Amino acid sequence: QSVLTQPPSASGTPGQGVTISCSGGYSNIGSHSVIWFQQLPGTAPKPLIYFNDQRPSGVPDRFSGSKSGTSASLAISGLQSDDEADYYCATWDVSLNGVVFGGGTKLTVL
Amino acid sequence: EVHLLESGGGLVQPGGSLRLSCAASGLTFSSCGMSWVRQAPGKGLEWVSAVSESGAYTYYADSVKGRFTISRDNSKDTLYLQMHSLRVEDTAVYYCARDLLSATVHWGQGALVTVSS
Repeated sequence: QSVLTQPPSASGTPGQGVTISCSGGYSNIGSHSVIWFQQLPGTAPKPLIYFNDQRPSGVPDRFSGSKSGTSASLAISGLQSDDEADYYCATWDVSLNGVVFGGGTKLTVL
Repeated sequence: EVHLLESGGGLVQPGGSLRLSCAASGLTFSSCGMSWVRQAPGKGLEWVSAVSESGAYTYYADSVKGRFTISRDNSKDTLYLQMHSLRVEDTAVYYCARDLLSATVHWGQGALVTVSS
């Protein structure tokens, strides 16, 4: 059972948009910024969004992040087939004194 | 270019020990907080441990506290994870990562640890 809650799966058709949620509490998302990772099969995770809503260079602006209270979201617009991957949120938890991850969301592009 | 290369993975029996290393290049290693994150086969990411830039502060997940020790040698640009009393459930790919929660995050390619009799 992960400290941060994500839906296990999400899907959309090419060109559509999808939003992945990440729900936590006051000791984690409520206190610290959130980072999002994309993991393609057999590869290391890649950062998509950091500090809640900032994109690293090279990440398309189709990816956007937001945070409100104890929840965060990753929005992907204009879905493409190579967006099929697992997506994880993460942040620091002040009560656990460590990093916590969401359980991951498997995105399928139909 | 930043490069993190894990080594030391392999097959070990339950109750055994193993030490992972993560050699860093292309960065000022002594200025980076470092972490270990693992991923069991077919499962999600699990944070294992972190160490501050100087090595003075260390942090552990409850699942490994008392069994794993994180350390670093800034003179060798290398991060370590000493693992004792290994359990079957410790089987995973272990990634080292720099600045895990920040803009400069970077991951290694991972090292597979298999705990099995």
